[in-house]
Amino acid sequence: DIQMTQSPSSLSASVGDRVTITCQASQDISNNLNWYQQRPGKAPKLLVYDASSLQTGVPSRFSGRGSGTDFTFTIDSLRPEDVAIYYCQQYHDLLTFGPGTRVDLK
Amino acid sequence: QLHLQESGPRLVKPSETLSLTCTVSGGSINDYYWTWLRQPPGEGLEWIGYIFPSTDANYNPSLKSRVTISVDMSKNQFSLNLISVTPADTAVYYCARGEYGSAIDWGQGTLVTVSP
Repeated sequence: DIQMTQSPSSLSASVGDRVTITCQASQDISNNLNWYQQRPGKAPKLLVYDASSLQTGVPSRFSGRGSGTDFTFTIDSLRPEDVAIYYCQQYHDLLTFGPGTRVDLK
Repeated sequence: QLHLQESGPRLVKPSETLSLTCTVSGGSINDYYWTWLRQPPGEGLEWIGYIFPSTDANYNPSLKSRVTISVDMSKNQFSLNLISVTPADTAVYYCARGEYGSAIDWGQGTLVTVSP
């Protein structure tokens, strides 16, 4: 089974800050990685697929990069509506989610 | 605009079977991958399994012995059966439409509690 880890587990940032989350796979998953946003009380939303492709309609301040085992997700200029938990998810071998990173406002 | 809605009992007794249905509107169920996921209260997301119509389903190895996902194309629905439930199966259950490996359109989720 492929295990996913994320860091940090939580962070606080100010509006306008650049936020970066890392995700690591336990083995090479190529670019078979997605990023989701889950706002409080809502269903998750796919933001980035194939490690770096932005889902239709997602603001360009969100981005992803990486391949192999190490990936990053960035919010270029944090907005209040970005308060959420962010999950990475691999699909190289079935599907596995990372534990999530909680993003709050400072 | 595709819409997915989960339905089924909100309370299930231990050792019994959890059964949920996802009704798809605004699009055909003949294409795409149809996925079930869950999220225990205050915890992260867990993939349960997915099915592509007319093919075999794939399941999370940790749940494989207890899970069945099926599609009813005549009703534009797909279903989840989870047998022998315990309180650890208490979670918000989501259905979703996706491409291979991705869950793109999600239902609102339904909380299912396993309790005597």
